[in-house]
Amino acid sequence: AQSVTQPDIHITVSEGASLELRCNYSYGATPYLFWYVQSPGQGLQLLLKYFSGDTLVQGIKGFEAEFKRSQSSFNLRKPSVHWSDAAEYFCAVGARAGGSYIPTFGRGTSLIVHP
Amino acid sequence: EAGVAQSPRYKIIEKRQSVAFWCNPISGHATLYWYQQILGQGPKLLIQFQNNGVVDDSQLPKDRFSAERLKGVDSTLKIQPAKLEDSAVYLCASSLGGYSGNTIYFGEGSWLTVV
Repeated sequence: AQSVTQPDIHITVSEGASLELRCNYSYGATPYLFWYVQSPGQGLQLLLKYFSGDTLVQGIKGFEAEFKRSQSSFNLRKPSVHWSDAAEYFCAVGARAGGSYIPTFGRGTSLIVHP
Repeated sequence: EAGVAQSPRYKIIEKRQSVAFWCNPISGHATLYWYQQILGQGPKLLIQFQNNGVVDDSQLPKDRFSAERLKGVDSTLKIQPAKLEDSAVYLCASSLGGYSGNTIYFGEGSWLTVV
């Protein structure tokens, strides 16, 4: 069965600093990988996804992620963090099933941004 | 384009009572998911529908939870009787389905508190 590990429960950065959120996955086949963001009281919004092709994926809000098969990782990065980026970030791996795919989520990383 | 609609947004019930949540996916979306998100954790899949058929319900506590998708469109998730540990956000999501990388869109969730 597929699984996702997000080793950092909380990450604190200063506004304007760079950001990297870690994600490691376990899946027997070629993975579908996602990063979602969740603001307080809101649903999940897709930041970016990897299905195939270029291993460096660009997303919304200036985020990017790099798929590294050898390390089973899909880390999320942003060169300069804004205060509005403070939220919960979830990495997910999708397994093919029944004509679609089922995302399995990690426990999330809470991003705190200091002014 | 209208998003995934969920109702009610908030519900407080006593243990052993019943509750039902409703989800209206994005028009034309064949795949519908229900996730449970307990505070401080990542979303956990309860059930996935492809049109009106169940793809995966392996993590649905079938002794108290039930879900249906009428005519492959709207869906209802029911809990009866509720337990304290069912306090969570119930997220509905939908996608076009298939393996081509279609985005999964989430609703804002239904917040359940069992007292």
